[in-house]
This record gives sequence, C-alpha cells and structure tokens, in this order.
Amino acid sequence: GAVVSQHPSRVICKSGTSVKIECRSLDFQATTMFWYRQFPKKSLMLMATSNEGSKATYEQGVEKDKFLINHASLTLSTLTVTSAHPEDSSFYICSARERTSGRALRYNEQFFGPGTRLTVL
Amino acid sequence: GQQLNQSPQSMFIQEGEDVSMNCTSSSIFNTWLWYKQDPGEGPVLLIALYKAGELTSNGRLTAQFGITRKDSFLNISASIPSDVGIYFCAAPDKYSTLTFGKGTMLLVSP
Repeated sequence: GAVVSQHPSRVICKSGTSVKIECRSLDFQATTMFWYRQFPKKSLMLMATSNEGSKATYEQGVEKDKFLINHASLTLSTLTVTSAHPEDSSFYICSARERTSGRALRYNEQFFGPGTRLTVL
Repeated sequence: GQQLNQSPQSMFIQEGEDVSMNCTSSSIFNTWLWYKQDPGEGPVLLIALYKAGELTSNGRLTAQFGITRKDSFLNISASIPSDVGIYFCAAPDKYSTLTFGKGTMLLVSP
C-alpha cells in the first residue's frame, strides 16, 4: 500500500515552454500532497504544500506564479512549471500524506513518488 | 527554522559490516522518520518512530527514537551491496511539515 506515482519520469523541454508534472496516490486518499525540489547530492527542499480543494501554501522564495499547483482531487496533484528556464532544471519529487486524523500516529508519514527529472534546454 | 544534523555525511564500507548513522536537533520532535533514496528515485520510508525510547526493526535495519526526543539513530547490520544509497532522517514540525537531514551517502564494496 501507500504507492505514489509521478508522470512523466523525465522531460526535456525548450526554454520558455511550460511543463506539467502529475502526482497520484494510487491506493489511498491524500488530503495533502507536497512538492519538493532536489539538487544533485543535496537534501529535499520543500517548495509547497498542496491541500485538496484549496490553494497551495508556498515556501518562502518559491514563486507561486512560476510553479502552479493544482490539487483537484484526493488522489491527484499537478505542478506546472511555467515559462521554464535552464535554471529550473532539477529533480522534482512529490509526496502524499494519507487522509487520516491529525492525532493518528501515521499522520506525519509522507510517501514519495519516484520523481521527475526536468531538463530545460 | 528547525534543523536536523545528520552524520556521517558519507560512509564507504565493505559488505558484511554494520553501519550506524544518527540525527540530532536542538528541537524536540514527536515523530522520527528514516528514508532511503536510490539514485534517480524518490525516498522510500524505512522506519517510523513515534515514542521516545522506542526501538524498531525492519529486517536488518534498526532505528531508535532518542529518550530526549532530540535525536534518533539508524543501524544497518551485515550490509549488502543493495544497501547503497542516501539515507535521510526526517521529523515533522508543528505544522506537520517534514524537515530533512542532509543525508548520509552509503557505499558498500562487495
């Protein structure tokens, strides 16, 4: 159980184009999904927290107009990198937290997708 | 913000050896999580700890939640080549946002 998928796994695009990345929880409902960015040999950097049916909460320094997040259902969140530039090239990873009571022990467990490697030329 | 100090940064060991890594913080946490990340993949949850002093095993992996609630360690016994990867500790803040350690890169030679 607790499987999260991401699509696509790799994408190469031209500078100025927009790229959409999908994150799906396959066997559970996720009221909250998280989007991370990871640079080579570095830890995960949280970009935004996405709650189903409401606006995403962005971390300081992350441009919300640049990284559009939509969490339309309990199993799907999307990240759109708009007008991508080479500096946006990175490994993007989503995670999902299972829908459960905030007092449940497993509430803080996040399950990660396999990641999306974005290369902007 | 809260920081998790994870050590060592990297380890290069021989197959069969035991491994130990740890995370410390100046903050108190109610949950400690240990993840493993293979190259080009997302992190996979290995062990979750919920109670101070708790010792939990998952196969050859054992993790403990420090009694002060400010630290945790992960041990791997009898390492094998497929243990290679980056191991991260993580803990949630009061908003349930995970803070990650910087990771321990483990290399195992056959």
